[in-house]
Amino acid sequence: AQKVTQAQTEISVVEKEDVTLDCVYETRDTTYYLFWYKQPPSGELVFLIRRNSFDEQNEISGRYSWNFQKSTSSFNFTITASQVVDSAVYFCALSEIGGTSYGKLTFGQGTILTVHP
Amino acid sequence: GAGVSQTPSNKVTEKGKYVELRCDPISGHTALYWYRQSLGQGPEFLIYFQGTGAADDSGLPNDRFFAVRPEGSVSTLKIQRTERGDSAVYLCASSPQLTGELFFGEGSRLTVL
Repeated sequence: AQKVTQAQTEISVVEKEDVTLDCVYETRDTTYYLFWYKQPPSGELVFLIRRNSFDEQNEISGRYSWNFQKSTSSFNFTITASQVVDSAVYFCALSEIGGTSYGKLTFGQGTILTVHP
Repeated sequence: GAGVSQTPSNKVTEKGKYVELRCDPISGHTALYWYRQSLGQGPEFLIYFQGTGAADDSGLPNDRFFAVRPEGSVSTLKIQRTERGDSAVYLCASSPQLTGELFFGEGSRLTVL
């Protein structure tokens, strides 16, 4: 069975601070996808990134960066110089690769990020 | 619009009633998914369609839940004999082929009194 744990229920920061959202996962699969989604107050989940399990290179996209460490089963997400618009619930998710597994995601419980001006 | 559209956005019903929730995916997306999100939780997978057929319905909680996608586009999630525990936000998502990148709608909030 797959499991995703986001131990931080809520994080509160002041604008321009850096913030890291933790994600730890469990799976028996040797290949899998990891994701991060953002859920703003409107409720619509927005895709941020997909990472393949055999690509451990870290990724940076603007103020966002992701640190994937297979040895510790972690896929952490850092926002640099946070902004008020970053306030949302962030979900880490996991899926198998192949067959009918695409899009069948196991989500963590989410981390509520509040960025104060 | 260009995104995934879900109706109704809010539905309040009484215990025991029948409910239908509709999802209109992004045009051309062959894969369609239903998820359920309870308060303070992450979304949970319910069912996945590839075209008209349900490719994986392993997440449906029991036989009161059923979903169809008769023409490979719009999908309807049907819940019979609703129970208070069915109260949640029901999210629909679509995807172009099998990429794993899902485009979600804003959800249908179901409240069972």
